[in-house]
Amino acid sequence: QSALTQPPSASGSPGQSVTISCTGTSSDVGGYNYVSWYQHHPGKAPKLMIYEVSERPSGVPHRFSGSKSGNTASLTVSGLQAEDEADYYCCSYAVGNIYVFGTGTKVTVL
Amino acid sequence: EVQLAESGGGLVQPGRSLRLSCLGSGFRFGDYAVSWVRQVPGKGLEWISFITSKAYAETTSYAASVKGRFTISRDDSNGVAYLQMNSLKTEDTAVYYCTRLGPNYTDYWGQGTLVTVSS
Repeated sequence: QSALTQPPSASGSPGQSVTISCTGTSSDVGGYNYVSWYQHHPGKAPKLMIYEVSERPSGVPHRFSGSKSGNTASLTVSGLQAEDEADYYCCSYAVGNIYVFGTGTKVTVL
Repeated sequence: EVQLAESGGGLVQPGRSLRLSCLGSGFRFGDYAVSWVRQVPGKGLEWISFITSKAYAETTSYAASVKGRFTISRDDSNGVAYLQMNSLKTEDTAVYYCTRLGPNYTDYWGQGTLVTVSS
């Protein structure tokens, strides 16, 4: 099972929006509505930001949103803030009762 | 407050074994599946295994990269999950995270424990 494909980096100025894509196949992203997104500040535990494609856990700001079209899921961060600078990973349930993570995207707030 | 604490990491020689532990607190440990995720230094996250709750027959699953070498287990009476790692390779060097697995997504993570496989 190959890792889901994410762009290595994304950036935006404070207040702008950034969208991160996560491309898989019909065996993972396209086949299930079980895509989740994690924010990871180096040296800290990753944090769940989105689950089941577009659901936001309590405590996660509304400016984080998720969507999916076909085999590609997306995470959008609106109104970028300095503390949003981190690595972001998507994850999908996949055929074979396994999970697969994305390659990761480093978000930089300019 | 949900907390997960990994332990058991360290330096080990190639071909040897190591067992990681994950102590859960702040929730009914036995009601949840547990998974292990690792991160090679400077690289991305890699899911490696999960074990479901007793209600779901403690079903296990493994990534191809560790299948046959790693074994996941749990002791609900003590709120602990384990990852037995055998025949370790240098490429297994990573920070290993224990996570609580909700219905098809991980919702909480531990701080991780570093495993270094080197001669």
